Amino acid sequence: GNSVTQMEGPVTLSEEAFLTINCTYTATGYPSLFWYVQYPGEGLQLLLKATKADDKGSNKGFEATYRKETTSFHLEKGSVQVSDSAVYFCALSESYQKVTFGTGTKLQVIP
Amino acid sequence: KAGVTQTPRYLIKTRGQQVTLSCSPISGHRSVSWYQQTPGQGLQFLFEYFSETQRNKGNFPGRFSGRQFSNSRSEMNVSTLELGDSALYLCASSFGTSGPQETQYFGPGTRLLVL
Repeated sequence: GNSVTQMEGPVTLSEEAFLTINCTYTATGYPSLFWYVQYPGEGLQLLLKATKADDKGSNKGFEATYRKETTSFHLEKGSVQVSDSAVYFCALSESYQKVTFGTGTKLQVIP
Repeated sequence: KAGVTQTPRYLIKTRGQQVTLSCSPISGHRSVSWYQQTPGQGLQFLFEYFSETQRNKGNFPGRFSGRQFSNSRSEMNVSTLELGDSALYLCASSFGTSGPQETQYFGPGTRLLVL
């Protein structure tokens, strides 16, 4: 079956540091890939997505590139802010609305 | 445009009881999906409904069921509650017509505590 593996957290960074959260996936076909973010006490929000190989999703300074050869979709941001503190989920979908999520990576940014 | 709403937001039940959770999708969305979020298992897909029909199902026991109404609102029911059913239940909606690349919009969740 499908699966998503992302790096364990928590990740603690100082403000303005560079962020990388690794994500790799296993899928039987050609999935769409997503990064979702969950702020404390809230539901999930889509951060970015990519639907085919070499696509780059980007939003709010975050980027991730769909790498089919390495089955990866790593999340990066050049300069994190305190407001980026949240839990980040990598996810994939191969069929209608059935999304497989990673375990989540908690990011804490300190001033 | 109003977002996805879920009611109630918090619920406390005892073992053996049953519970019904409700989800109202974004206007115009016909697909509603349900997920269970727990610290141990993470986010797991329960099922998805589109135009009142269950279109996808995850690996949960038959105690977990759902339905969708003609206005796209959806309910999820859990019968004979167990302690392990304590979780945050998230609902997500989308148009449901564009395949796996379609963005889902999540509600704030219903937090269920089973005592």
